[in-house]
Amino acid sequence: RKEVEQDPGPFNVPEGATVAFNCTYSNSASQSFFWYRQDCRKEPKLLMSVYSSGNEDGRFTAQLNRASQYISLLIRDSKLSDSATYLCVVNIGNFNKFYFGSGTKLNVKP
Amino acid sequence: EADIYQTPRYLVIGTGKKITLECSQTMGHDKMYWYQQDPGMELHLIHYSYGVNSTEKGDLSSESTVSRIRTEHFPLTLESARPSHTSQYLCASTQGADRGYQETQYFGPGTRLLVL
Repeated sequence: RKEVEQDPGPFNVPEGATVAFNCTYSNSASQSFFWYRQDCRKEPKLLMSVYSSGNEDGRFTAQLNRASQYISLLIRDSKLSDSATYLCVVNIGNFNKFYFGSGTKLNVKP
Repeated sequence: EADIYQTPRYLVIGTGKKITLECSQTMGHDKMYWYQQDPGMELHLIHYSYGVNSTEKGDLSSESTVSRIRTEHFPLTLESARPSHTSQYLCASTQGADRGYQETQYFGPGTRLLVL
């Protein structure tokens, strides 16, 4: 079983739409959670960390549900520039290793 | 922004050649990582290091080797390149968890390797 599972998509949405991605993780000892963005043929870049109480950064909102072991990312008012693959990442702290989901592809259309 | 560098950015080489992919970071991060990623596929951890003179194999078996003689430098070597090694190789380092911040990972721009 994979450590981190994501719906690969693609999610095709119009500009201005609200879109949400979920991600599940299998290890209940997971301590840190992140969303990364990866553009085609580029390196992953940190979008935001995910905190237990949930957190927001502009149009992006991340939530963590430890009981159900899932993380979500909500993007409001989608822009064309939001088109990318979004990677869910989990750190099982004691081992200092980061586990990456396979990514969810988002296409924002004009 | 993270200061982590990889060279070369692109490499085309023949089968059987020895290659070294360079990775350097100027942030003083102790932990460094190498990932392999094929187009459209997920990242796979192939090596990591907790600090100088520490190296560990990752979850994906790899014929490559790494060394960590200096904090800022984490090169990856393939003794004899094969077409199956064609992939993108991404180096990363980790900002430690201090002052209440989660440990976060920063990536270099990657090296695209093509073995003919």
